[in-house]
Amino acid sequence: SYVLTQPPSVSVAPGQTARITCGGNNIESKSVHWYQQKPGQAPVLVVYDDSDRPSGIPERFSGSNSGNAATLTVSRVEAGDEADYYCQVWDGSRDQYVFGPGTEVTVL
Amino acid sequence: QVTLKESGPVLVKATETLTLTCTVSGFSLSDPRMSVSWIRQPPGKALQWLALISSKGEKSYNTSMKSRLTISKDTSKSQVVLTMINVDPVDTATYYCAQIEGEMSTTFEFWGQGTLVTVSS
Repeated sequence: SYVLTQPPSVSVAPGQTARITCGGNNIESKSVHWYQQKPGQAPVLVVYDDSDRPSGIPERFSGSNSGNAATLTVSRVEAGDEADYYCQVWDGSRDQYVFGPGTEVTVL
Repeated sequence: QVTLKESGPVLVKATETLTLTCTVSGFSLSDPRMSVSWIRQPPGKALQWLALISSKGEKSYNTSMKSRLTISKDTSKSQVVLTMINVDPVDTATYYCAQIEGEMSTTFEFWGQGTLVTVSS
């Protein structure tokens, strides 16, 4: 099965940049999607197809995908960005939707 | 406005069958662009995809749970139903339904609020 890896936690000061990685074998060949989940809430899509933003998501959220890692970048971090972030791909060879283990972002 | 809402029992006993319903609005389950999935999240743990049903009624299941899951839909009622047999305490989780829009999309764009199911031993 296709496995995604993420760092368990990332800490960042307000106004700085948070980078969250999502590792997978040749992940650049897949479309990567990112979700933000705050405590007690359902996940919210923040980036899809590697680098596109849904309407209503601030430009501070951006994504990239190359080689064996995709990255979600949150610029000018705010206290409200504190949440768990999950990456997700579709493994077409097995028709399986796969989530990463999640990264907890803490704003210092 | 797209909305999804999960419903079902709050508490089930081990070995019983769990039936969850996702009621959607703002789109039709017969729209060829629309699919609906079930995803769960045990307390404090990561998201896990369970199953998907397309507008054509095509079904996909998490390989590790396929033998225990059945997904179906009632287009007239705008409902997608997930059935899980022989539940265990490890199935305690918040269960979400989510929409995929676009025949080539693999993105869960809209999510329900989730429903917490506790399995007692």
